[in-house]
Amino acid sequence: ETGVTQTPRHLVMGMTNKKSLKCEQHLGHNAMYWYKQSAKKPLELMFVYNFKEQTENNSVPSRFSPECPNSSHLFLHLHTLQPEDSALYLCASSQVGREETQYFGPGTRLLVL
Amino acid sequence: AQSVTQLGSHVSVSEGALVLLRCNYSSSVPPYLFWYVQYPNQGLQLLLKYTTGATLVKGINGFEAEFKKSETSFHLTKPSAHMSDAAEYFCAVSPGSGNTGKLIFGQGTTLQVKP
Repeated sequence: ETGVTQTPRHLVMGMTNKKSLKCEQHLGHNAMYWYKQSAKKPLELMFVYNFKEQTENNSVPSRFSPECPNSSHLFLHLHTLQPEDSALYLCASSQVGREETQYFGPGTRLLVL
Repeated sequence: AQSVTQLGSHVSVSEGALVLLRCNYSSSVPPYLFWYVQYPNQGLQLLLKYTTGATLVKGINGFEAEFKKSETSFHLTKPSAHMSDAAEYFCAVSPGSGNTGKLIFGQGTTLQVKP
């Protein structure tokens, strides 16, 4: 595996379900990010992790819960979501302090019914 | 604070024509600037970036961009459009050295290429 991978690629869930999105980076980076991309809206940064520590939470509702067990893995735990949470969720990684480029995974397309 | 403005949410060109996608930024410190491309149902792929040095930056797929500090612009160009260039393009800025890793993205420009 190379680059940034995300699973699952597609997810349909009801509002009472609990699910998790997984992201893994194979680039040796020290920072990971979750973004939300909704139709006709700008890319929204949700969470930033540097060296496994959360450094940014952009007023994201508590029904989204991130977890970063190590610098290569990032999870987004979902529970009691709303239909307006349907979107493409993108994970990215970068090497902060050296090369600032963020590398993105293919995304998880989430549909909340 | 930093911000990015992409002029034109949709741009349409004919195959073989010049592509010009506009990006203006605001930054209180010397910025790093990026262009990403997103094909349908995919993540963002880096096209090119400016950090320091030469202001004309060449990227993949024949694209290039020029950093113009006096105009606070970083417009993306390609001399001759190809059908495969149809996608959404995002300009982004970060505060350069000392960066915490955060990128500020523009709203995106959808490029349509007509045969």
